[in-house]
Amino acid sequence: QKEVEQDPGPLSVPEGAIVSLNCTYSNSAFQYFMWYRQYSRKGPELLMYTYSSGNKEDGRFTAQVDKSSKYISLFIRDSQPSDSATYLCAMSENGGGADGLTFGKGTHLIIQP
Amino acid sequence: KAGVTQTPRYLIKTRGQQVTLSCSPISGHRSVSWYQQTPGQGLQFLFEYFSETQRNKGNFPGRFSGRQFSNSRSEMNVSTLELGDSALYLCASSPIAATALYEQYFGPGTRLTVT
Repeated sequence: QKEVEQDPGPLSVPEGAIVSLNCTYSNSAFQYFMWYRQYSRKGPELLMYTYSSGNKEDGRFTAQVDKSSKYISLFIRDSQPSDSATYLCAMSENGGGADGLTFGKGTHLIIQP
Repeated sequence: KAGVTQTPRYLIKTRGQQVTLSCSPISGHRSVSWYQQTPGQGLQFLFEYFSETQRNKGNFPGRFSGRQFSNSRSEMNVSTLELGDSALYLCASSPIAATALYEQYFGPGTRLTVT
């Protein structure tokens, strides 16, 4: 079993829809949770980060962490064609740079105009 | 502020050769991490450097090595290249190594193809 599981998609939704992206993990020591967006031929770009359990909102994006279920989610409201990209979840135990991030394989999201 | 830069952007090498990739972090960032991205395995952590010291290393063979210079620029080297080393190699820099891991900024990557 992989440490972090993420449905690769592709996930195709119409413009304006609410998108739900999810990851499950097995390592209960993970405390820091991040979502990255990666466009084709680009490096990942940090969207959201959360420490421990709870919700965090930033504009159209909401990140949720449920440590009891080892499940994290990213919601995108009012989705736009420019949101079409691969979304990667990432996690770490200690939050320090030396820890290294454990990534999911990414979900390819397509927003249809 | 300039972002993380990586050179070269594309590289084609032959099996058995070695390769060196370069990363210049964002000015003021002292931590540099390297990742390998492949379709099959996704993004995997290679190693992290802070103040010219490797602090952590992922589960990769010894053919993968790196170093960091006093100006925080970093290089990674892969010796005796194998076909499976074909990947996108990403460098990420962070402003403060001990905290703010979430402030990890990625470069565009170097696409390595081994033939």
